[in-house]
Amino acid sequence: AQKVTQAQTEISVVEKEDVTLDCVYETRDTTYYLFWYKQPPSGELVFLIRRNSFDEQNEISGRYSWNFQKSTSSFNFTITASQVVDSAVYFCALSEGDRDDKIIFGKGTRLHILP
Amino acid sequence: EAGVAQSPRYKIIEKRQSVAFWCNPISGHATLYWYQQILGQGPKLLIQFQNNGVVDDSQLPKDRFSAERLKGVDSTLKIQPAKLEDSAVYLCASSFSGIGDTQYFGPGTRLTVL
Repeated sequence: AQKVTQAQTEISVVEKEDVTLDCVYETRDTTYYLFWYKQPPSGELVFLIRRNSFDEQNEISGRYSWNFQKSTSSFNFTITASQVVDSAVYFCALSEGDRDDKIIFGKGTRLHILP
Repeated sequence: EAGVAQSPRYKIIEKRQSVAFWCNPISGHATLYWYQQILGQGPKLLIQFQNNGVVDDSQLPKDRFSAERLKGVDSTLKIQPAKLEDSAVYLCASSFSGIGDTQYFGPGTRLTVL
């Protein structure tokens, strides 16, 4: 069965610090997709990234970067030089691509960026 | 490109009353999802439509929840009668086709059952 674990329930850092959000997943499929979503206080889930299981290349998008390691079943998310606007709940999610497109979400990490 | 639209944004009802939520997906998206997000948790899938057919409703409490997607576009989710534990945010999402596709979410409807 598929499972996503975000062990960090809540993190607080001071603005401009770097912060990494951890995500560990479980799946028996060889084809799967990993996602990160941001949920600001307004409540809408904002898509950040989608990664398929055959692409282990790390990705950087501005201050955001993602480290995908199949060997440890992890898909960690790093924010560099954090800003107050980064304060939100961040969800990691998994979809097993061979059977269906159901996305299983982790419980989320609440990130507080302190000014 | 317009995003996923949902209404109402907020709803307060008393237990045993009925409530309905509406969702309009991104134009051209064949797959539509309804999620329930209880405070402090990740979203949980309630039902998934592919065009106007149900793909997965295994986690939908069918004794009180119902959903439809007429004409394969808009969708409504209904709760009748509501219970206190139904208090949550109800999120609608859509994707272009399905497997592996990115799901784009609407702003959600925050339901409070008193």
